Amino acid sequence: QQQVKQSPQSLIVQKGGISIINCAYENTAFDYFPWYQQFPGKGPALLIAIRPDVSEKKEGRFTISFNKSAKQFSLHIMDSQPGDSATYFCAATDSWGKLQFGAGTQVVVTP
Amino acid sequence: DAGITQSPRYKITETGRQVTLMCHQTWSHSYMFWYRQDLGHGLRLIYYSAAADITDKGEVPDGYVVSRSKTENFPLTLESATRSQTSVYFCASRPLAGGQRETQYFGPGTRLLVL
Repeated sequence: QQQVKQSPQSLIVQKGGISIINCAYENTAFDYFPWYQQFPGKGPALLIAIRPDVSEKKEGRFTISFNKSAKQFSLHIMDSQPGDSATYFCAATDSWGKLQFGAGTQVVVTP
Repeated sequence: DAGITQSPRYKITETGRQVTLMCHQTWSHSYMFWYRQDLGHGLRLIYYSAAADITDKGEVPDGYVVSRSKTENFPLTLESATRSQTSVYFCASRPLAGGQRETQYFGPGTRLLVL
């Protein structure tokens, strides 16, 4: 059973549009919520991360929104570019630093 | 170049054979991890290690063995490969402490096909 549920499985967005990926978790012991970006043939790489005491974090065109009471968090990609086409994974980390990943979302940005 | 490397990058083997996937990191990170990536499952933790000679099971350890005699190396062995172990395997590492202690750094992966 997946401890972090991610949706949608895939999405297609036009260049300049907004991509939104949602994740939900159950374990309240999770204390760090990173997003990883993965290009074909490559390993995942950290994109942006948030702690549960913060409701929003923005880095460039990427924003995480975090709702602790609902146990949900989401990634927004503003002004999506073709170079953003990748698979995105949400994750949650427990006190041991072990990552629980969501199933991933394949994002395709059309020109 | 410093970083985390995996070998081989591609491997084809047959059912029942023993296969060892290698992982090497040059950062002297304390923690190392092995994941498998399958469509629809994301990445699932197989084994992890907190330091040399300290290893523990993750979510899907059955059929796999690890060892860590040196900090920089963390090999993963499939003792008797099965078709269900066809997957992409990623090694990762992270430091014990410091501002980036939660960030895991991933290798490029090994694509394994078991016939």
